Amino acid sequence: AQSVTQPDIHITVSEGASLELRCNYSYGATPYLFWYVQSPGQGLQLLLKYFSGDTLVQGIKGFEAEFKRSQSSFNLRKPSVHWSDAAEYFCAVGPNTGNQFYFGTGTSLTVIP
Amino acid sequence: NAGVTQTPKFRILKIGQSMTLQCAQDMNHNYMYWYRQDPGMGLKLIYYSVGAGITDKGEVPNGYNVSRSTTEDFPLRLELAAPSQTSVYFCASSYLSGQGYGYTFGSGTRLTVV
Repeated sequence: AQSVTQPDIHITVSEGASLELRCNYSYGATPYLFWYVQSPGQGLQLLLKYFSGDTLVQGIKGFEAEFKRSQSSFNLRKPSVHWSDAAEYFCAVGPNTGNQFYFGTGTSLTVIP
Repeated sequence: NAGVTQTPKFRILKIGQSMTLQCAQDMNHNYMYWYRQDPGMGLKLIYYSVGAGITDKGEVPNGYNVSRSTTEDFPLRLELAAPSQTSVYFCASSYLSGQGYGYTFGSGTRLTVV
């Protein structure tokens, strides 16, 4: 069965520190992978996506993610976190056909001064 | 600005009442989706549409109905509201099938059934 696991429910980092949010997926075929961010009271905004090619993908707001097929992972990283990055982050995986996407349960990020 | 517009933003329903959540997009996207978001549960797909006149069930369709008479609008109907339908509902759209382009999400409707 297809699934997405975000092992960290909540992460706290200091402003300026580096960040890594974990995402593991279970999928029978080559997945399409996404990271979304949700600010309080807002909808989800696409940060980045991976389809094929270079396994390190760059997104908006200085975020990047690395696809590791051997580990079934798609971790999100940022070298230096800003206070405005505090939000909920969702990893999602989808098929290369059809319309069923699967979202992780999210990781809540708190940034302390 | 272009995007996905959801109304209302908040609503309280009594058990057994019905309501329609509105969703409109002005990006000429063919694909539209309804998700619900429950705490600690991520997003679950309720219904989706690949174009006007075409809808299909997602992972959790029970208790909901949809229609797609135009490209722009994709309303979600709740009949006989139940406490289990208390959730935040998100509408999303994409130009082609979402896996190629990602979704554009609306800002959500927070529904409480009491």
